[in-house]
Amino acid sequence: ELKVEQNPLFLSMQEGKNYTIYCNYSTTSDRLYWYRQDPGKSLESLFVLLSNGAVKQEGRLMASLDTKARLSTLHITAAVHDLSATYFCAVALPRMETSGSRLTFGEGTQLTVNP
Amino acid sequence: SAVISQKPSRDICQRGTSLTIQCQVDSQVTMMFWYRQQPGQSLTLIATANQGSEATYESGFVIDKFPISRPNLTFSTLTVSNMSPEDSSIYLCSVEAYRGRGYTFGSGTRLTVV
Repeated sequence: ELKVEQNPLFLSMQEGKNYTIYCNYSTTSDRLYWYRQDPGKSLESLFVLLSNGAVKQEGRLMASLDTKARLSTLHITAAVHDLSATYFCAVALPRMETSGSRLTFGEGTQLTVNP
Repeated sequence: SAVISQKPSRDICQRGTSLTIQCQVDSQVTMMFWYRQQPGQSLTLIATANQGSEATYESGFVIDKFPISRPNLTFSTLTVSNMSPEDSSIYLCSVEAYRGRGYTFGSGTRLTVV
């Protein structure tokens, strides 16, 4: 059974600071996704990481994937209040004929950026 | 990427009743996925709906409680049956945007059972 663990689960940081969220997973996979969820809202796709060594950047967020270590990181640079949200990583299991390629989600990291 | 219209967006239901949630996609997709997000929790996959065949349910979820229909390649419904307060959650449908390129989620249905 695939397990996906995020840490930290709660992160309170000041504006302007840097921090990294970690996502570890237990089974071989080369597809990992990061999502953002605002309170009461659905999930917004942030990054799609499809191969070992993949690095994607968008604004103040940068995501990377190390499939050998089964680890992905989401790095926040010079945080601003607008980044306050819950961030989820999700790992895709291998594609199955009847059930497609299912996602297993981490527990989520609730980020609060304080002025 | 695909756009999903999910409804209702929220509902308050009496225990013992059923609610059917609908998801309409603006393009044809092979698989549709249904997730549950309990308050303050992460997302858990309920089942995968493949057009023309029975849905595949995850451990802990059964067809009698969560019947799913998938009449065509753009539409699916999830019914939450015989509801209890423990069913109060957000329910989301999802599709794979295109192969290996990410998944799109509906806006979610916030269900409260009283």
